[in-house]
Amino acid sequence: AQKITQTQPGMFVQEKEAVTLDCTYDTSDPSYGLFWYKQPSSGEMIFLIYQGSYDQQNATEGRYSLNFQKARKSANLVISASQLGDSAMYFCAMRETGNAGNMLTFGGGTRLMVKP
Amino acid sequence: EAQVTQNPRYLITVTGKKLTVTCSQNMNHEYMSWYRQDPGLGLRQIYYSMNVEVTDKGDVPEGYKVSRKEKRNFPLILESPSPNQTSLYFCASREMGPYNEQFFGPGTRLTVL
Repeated sequence: AQKITQTQPGMFVQEKEAVTLDCTYDTSDPSYGLFWYKQPSSGEMIFLIYQGSYDQQNATEGRYSLNFQKARKSANLVISASQLGDSAMYFCAMRETGNAGNMLTFGGGTRLMVKP
Repeated sequence: EAQVTQNPRYLITVTGKKLTVTCSQNMNHEYMSWYRQDPGLGLRQIYYSMNVEVTDKGDVPEGYKVSRKEKRNFPLILESPSPNQTSLYFCASREMGPYNEQFFGPGTRLTVL
């Protein structure tokens, strides 16, 4: 079974609008961390935001926020006021503390395209 | 500057010709790992290392070898590359502990003909 599912292979958003990228996960480990990474066309992986399973508040980093719904096992990324430079692939990832080696497991990614 | 470096960045080779992709980090991280990225599959972990001389298999280790003789270096070795190993490869490092951010290298695009 997929541990991380990103159901939107591609999305368009109008510049300056907000956009939500979906991520659902599957784990029986009570302690885990959720990460979002951005991969622009140049290829590098850029860390955006982190949410711990025991964090009481949703994580925020500038224009990025994480809509964490633990009971639904979802960790959607919200980008406010989209910019042209936000056009990229976005990956959701999870690390389970009970997982041997604490591997980071990635979803298949969502390609976001921002329209001017 | 804190970084993870990989070499080469691009490589085209032929089936069966042994190759090594180097990875080095200057952040004194104990944990290092290799991933491959394929369309629609995201990044999948090949091997990881939690310390010098300690390595273990990730999700897709077949056809790859690694070594960790020094803390800063973690080379990926393809003894006999095959076309299904054509992919984008990332090296990464982080501090130990499950909640720490992972730092990625710039990637190596490998084509095996």
